[in-house]
Amino acid sequence: NAGVTQTPKFRILKIGQSMTLQCTQDMNHNYMYWYRQDPGMGLKLIYYSVGAGITDKGEVPNGYNVSRSTTEDFPLRLELAAPSQTSVYFCASSQSGQLNEQFFGPGTRLTVL
Amino acid sequence: SQELEQSPQSLIVQEGKNLTINCTSSKTLYGLYWYKQKYGEGLIFLMMLQKGGEEKSHEKITAKLDEKKQQSSLHITASQPSHAGIYLCGADKSGTASKLTFGTGTRLQVTL
Repeated sequence: NAGVTQTPKFRILKIGQSMTLQCTQDMNHNYMYWYRQDPGMGLKLIYYSVGAGITDKGEVPNGYNVSRSTTEDFPLRLELAAPSQTSVYFCASSQSGQLNEQFFGPGTRLTVL
Repeated sequence: SQELEQSPQSLIVQEGKNLTINCTSSKTLYGLYWYKQKYGEGLIFLMMLQKGGEEKSHEKITAKLDEKKQQSSLHITASQPSHAGIYLCGADKSGTASKLTFGTGTRLQVTL
């Protein structure tokens, strides 16, 4: 049982490039989330999904897109990378929404130059 | 403005000493979560508090939620180097889905 896995661990992008951050969970969780963590700041929710085929915006969705075609996968897409998107990105999952522990992946450290 | 305030921002304690980290919200919380983050790694769940006045313990870590459900404290007894890391509180303010709001974290160092 690997839990929540994220790839890649590190990535450097040039301004304007695009990329997809991958997230997979093997716990059959319905809910999945994407957060970003900026230096000295708490985590901010980018997007979340309550099940396959359903996604919704979080606190900071601009510049990102997501999809949830399967229960296991929740990729995060950056279309036109900007320096403001330099951050550490965490994917998480939980069994359901209410009062459930969220399990976090190890994170992807992204730098946009 | 930051909706969840954590204090202190950083803390250096000598091994064996006790310490307390606070998390304060301006709004009533449906659930309060404590996570620990080791440097460069993901978050590890510690405890979740739901009811006013609730207290939970795991090994040497105790977390409490006040009666008004607006403040939580995390207390570590007899700190060890393994306790070092960043402690984050997360709050569920909606009660409808786990869209957590996180504090900025408390960075704990434990010296020998």
